[in-house]
Amino acid sequence: GENVEQHPSTLSVQEGDSAVIKCTYSDSASNYFPWYKQELGKRPQLIIDIRSNVGEKKDQRIAVTLNKTAKHFSLHITETQPEDSAVYFCAAHYGGSQGNLIFGKGTKLSVKP
Amino acid sequence: DGGITQSPKYLFRKEGQNVTLSCEQNLNHDAMYWYRQDPGQGLRLIYYSQIVNDFQKGDIAEGYSVSREKKESFPLTVTSAQKNPTAFYLCASNYNGERQVEATNEKLFFGSGTQLSVL
Repeated sequence: GENVEQHPSTLSVQEGDSAVIKCTYSDSASNYFPWYKQELGKRPQLIIDIRSNVGEKKDQRIAVTLNKTAKHFSLHITETQPEDSAVYFCAAHYGGSQGNLIFGKGTKLSVKP
Repeated sequence: DGGITQSPKYLFRKEGQNVTLSCEQNLNHDAMYWYRQDPGQGLRLIYYSQIVNDFQKGDIAEGYSVSREKKESFPLTVTSAQKNPTAFYLCASNYNGERQVEATNEKLFFGSGTQLSVL
């Protein structure tokens, strides 16, 4: 079946450094790739998303890149801050009969002050 | 606080008991979803509904049941057949995937979750 793999599962960086999380997907028909941030015990919140007709999207310190040929996309966080510490999930939307998102297993990001 | 409301926040189930988790949304979304979250497992789809009075099984539907009698509501029942129900349950909604509304179709909005534990 369809699958999204996410790496690394844990990531620790020093405040001010950059963090990169990578995901690969299996369905070449996927056309929408969101990233969610989940703080402990809270709901996932959409932080950025990208569509397959775009290679890169940026929103302040957060950027997402997409390589359709290689079927992978990445989240880049620059100038990390302690409040960036959370679990980040990537997802890929596929337009099969379900028409919903397949999620990666998440990356726990820790930003050390 | 408009959006998606889940209740209760915490729920305890006795062995052999069925329990129902509530999910209500006022976003006028057509589609609603239930996910189960276990540590290190990401989000796994239990059931989803794209329209009132219709729903489909997700990847891990065994031991669960749902109903969609109203557009705003999508309750999940964890039955006694679910032998390992302890998890964080998240409800979500979005516009129907069939709509051709760019930039809004697939955006998924989540409720605040219900932590279910077994007594």
